[in-house]
Amino acid sequence: DAGVTQSPTHLIKTRGQQVTLRCSPISGHKSVSWYQQVLGQGPQFIFQYYEKEERGRGNFPDRFSARQFPNYSSELNVNALLLGDSALYLCASSYRLAGGYEQYFGPGTRLTVT
Amino acid sequence: AQTVTQSQPEMSVQEAETVTLSCTYDTSESDYYLFWYKQPPSRQMILVIRQEAYKQQNATENRFSVNFQKAAKSFSLKISDSQLGDAAMYFCAYRRKSNSGGGADGLTFGKGTHLIIQP
Repeated sequence: DAGVTQSPTHLIKTRGQQVTLRCSPISGHKSVSWYQQVLGQGPQFIFQYYEKEERGRGNFPDRFSARQFPNYSSELNVNALLLGDSALYLCASSYRLAGGYEQYFGPGTRLTVT
Repeated sequence: AQTVTQSQPEMSVQEAETVTLSCTYDTSESDYYLFWYKQPPSRQMILVIRQEAYKQQNATENRFSVNFQKAAKSFSLKISDSQLGDAAMYFCAYRRKSNSGGGADGLTFGKGTHLIIQP
């Protein structure tokens, strides 16, 4: 079975631009979470979606938004990019929303903002 | 807010020996989960082991085991018979069981410990 997939693998953007990152969860998983991992740090939680509704949000500015589609895939959008947005963006899927369900991570999208 | 602290930025161990990675956390919750994740250089994060706070028995997965001390808010990972493939960043993570809105929080990660395996 395919794992969590993310696209693109790498992305280079200029300050002020907008970016969309995509994630496809494991088949049968209804929850998708997004994390930002700055170099040398642990991942930080951005959003969690379940059944197409936002069910959790981390401490990120409104420039960050996301949505989940009927097929449970998800997009993360970041507007007005800043240099500090350069990071590895990880998507994770889980079967259910509850805290104990394992989150399976994708390989990530490396975003570089110049 | 909950925090997770990993005080060892880097650890080194000889192949076939045992190593323990430390993790402490801070929370006011009584019901939660703790995790150890492994992130090899290929970047894909993999769950190593999971512990539910209400379970007193320490979790074990093959060569990986934890020492969970709830009162001390400590959650260390022991890797026995270290192998070259164990080399990676290891992250300790916390997750509250559920929030008041009926959702679930994301994982709160520590900064990680870089584990080096010496052949």
